[in-house]
This record gives sequence, C-alpha cells and structure tokens, in this order.
Amino acid sequence: SQTIHQWPATLVQPVGSPLSLECTVEGTSNPNLYWYRQAAGRGLQLLFYSVGIGQISSEVPQNLSASRPQDRQFILSSKKLLLSDSSFYLCAWSPGQGPNYGYTFGSGTRLTVV
Amino acid sequence: AQKVTQAQTEISVVEKEDVTLDCVYETRDTTYYLFWYKQPPSGELVFLIRRNSFDEQNEISGRYSWNFQKSTSSFNFTITASQVVDSAVYFCALDPGYSSASKIIFGSGTRLSIRP
Repeated sequence: SQTIHQWPATLVQPVGSPLSLECTVEGTSNPNLYWYRQAAGRGLQLLFYSVGIGQISSEVPQNLSASRPQDRQFILSSKKLLLSDSSFYLCAWSPGQGPNYGYTFGSGTRLTVV
Repeated sequence: AQKVTQAQTEISVVEKEDVTLDCVYETRDTTYYLFWYKQPPSGELVFLIRRNSFDEQNEISGRYSWNFQKSTSSFNFTITASQVVDSAVYFCALDPGYSSASKIIFGSGTRLSIRP
C-alpha cells in the first residue's frame, strides 16, 4: 500500500534562517507530488507541483523553492525565512498515470517563524 | 474558469442535528471529478469521496451523504445525526482535467462545529 511521510511535524525557526521540509512517498512509482500551504483559518494554496524528477512547477512566486531529487522525494526549501512564511505546509501525491483519483495528503508541518 | 465556492465559512449545530455543507463549482470541462475532504484539528486532510461527472447518483455512506446536481453545478454534503467527532474543516474540490496531469482546485473550506 502507498504511504506518504512528511516531517518534521512542527518547526520553529528564526527569521532569516533556512528551511527544508521533506516529503517521501512509498509504494508507488512516478507519482505527482504537491506542496500546499494553509494559513491559519484559511484555505489551501498550491505552491509547487512535480510530475517527475527535476520537474517543478511553481504556482505562486514567493520566498520558497521546491526540488525533487528522487522519484518519491519532494523537498520544500527557503534560503531565508520571513515572518509571513509561518503556516501549515502539506505535501500530497497522486498517481502519475490515469485519471486523478484524488490526492493523498501527508500529516503536515506546522511552521512558526519567530 | 474553474472555481469551487463554499459560501458557508462556519457552521455550528447542536449534536444530533443534520447539517448540509454547500459546494458550487464552475468548469467548462464535460468530464471532471469532484471531491470532499475532511480536515480534523490534527491538520491532516482525509479523503471522503470522489464523484465523476458522469455519475449523478447520490451516495450514502453511514451518516454521510452527497447530493450531486449537475444542473446547478452543486455537490452538497450532508451529515445526518451529527456528532462531536464530525467537528472539522471540510473542503470541496474539483479536478477539471480528468487526468493525472491536472491539478485539484479546492474551495475555501467550511468550518463545522458540533456542540454537545
């Protein structure tokens, strides 16, 4: 069966520090991978998605970047965090072929920038 | 344009009441998928249902039921005899492309609070 792992669960970082959030998927090959952000009490904002290794599409220009160094690994990064980066970050995956049967989400990372 | 509208920002009901969460979508595609997700306080999004555009049959799963009306572009979600554990944020979503390459569009969510 397929599983998605996202870590860390919570993170407190000072302004100006770097960020690296990792997401890995098991039990499937060539998944589509997604990073979403959810501000407190708000909806989901798609940040990045990837349909293959090294293929990253950005939905919203911002202080963040994403990389996919391996087929089932998706990393969200920042060189210098801003206070406005405080949010709940969710990784998700969907099958790389066939109709989209819906995303499966990770458990999320709650980032607080202080 | 593709869009999902959940007009109800917050709903609060007393336990055992029935509650309906509204979802209206916009798409020019003739084939598409609709989804509902639940986000409990823990934060993880839990998949509830997927419905394709060709299947307008209503679906019931225990206390949950979904009413898909293509004529009004609505995909409403009803919880019967609500329970405190139903308290969560519920998201309606649309996949307008009916393929693996398309991206799901989420509504803004409805926060449901069930009071004991």
